[in-house]
Amino acid sequence: DVKVTQSSRYLVKRTGEKVFLECVQDMDHENMFWYRQDPGLGLRLIYFSYDVKMKEKGDIPEGYSVSREKKERFSLILESASTNQTSMYLCASSVAGQARETQYFGPGTRLLVL
Amino acid sequence: AQKVTQAQTEISVVEKEDVTLDCVYETRDTTYYLFWYKQPPSGELVFLIRRNSFDEQNEISGRYSWNFQKSTSSFNFTITASQVVDSAVYFCALGNFGNEKLTFGTGTRLTIIP
Repeated sequence: DVKVTQSSRYLVKRTGEKVFLECVQDMDHENMFWYRQDPGLGLRLIYFSYDVKMKEKGDIPEGYSVSREKKERFSLILESASTNQTSMYLCASSVAGQARETQYFGPGTRLLVL
Repeated sequence: AQKVTQAQTEISVVEKEDVTLDCVYETRDTTYYLFWYKQPPSGELVFLIRRNSFDEQNEISGRYSWNFQKSTSSFNFTITASQVVDSAVYFCALGNFGNEKLTFGTGTRLTIIP
């Protein structure tokens, strides 16, 4: 079974802090994704990585950066957290396959920025 | 541009009733993929089904069935004899050939009342 894990289920940070969200997958997937989920807005793609050190901006990359130094690990970085980044963050991975491949999701991280 | 519309924000039904979740999509591509995911209260999105645009056969899996109609750009999901464990948020998603990303709908929160 595919397993995607995220470093924290719940996180509370202060405005201005640098925040790291970590995601690890164990199925040697090429693609990894970071989404945020907000009520009424569904899932919105923040960043996508299709290979080590490769990344593409999603729909809402502002205020975020990512890092993929190893194939299995994809990190989301909030350089200076703000209250409007309070959200549920979901990581996913998939085999490369031009959208026909299923994305598998981690359990999510609920981030509260005070 | 791709778009997925889940017009039903919240649905409540009494246990054992049948319920249909609607999904309408927009795309200019002829090759595309449609997905349904379930998000239980634990937070992790669970993959339910994938269909490609060339396969309009309806699918049944236990109490779940899916009705794909290209003529109306719809991919609706029916749960027969609903159970409390079906309570979750359900997302419909669209992927286009040549693009690794998915476009998600805003989700439908389904509550099964015992």
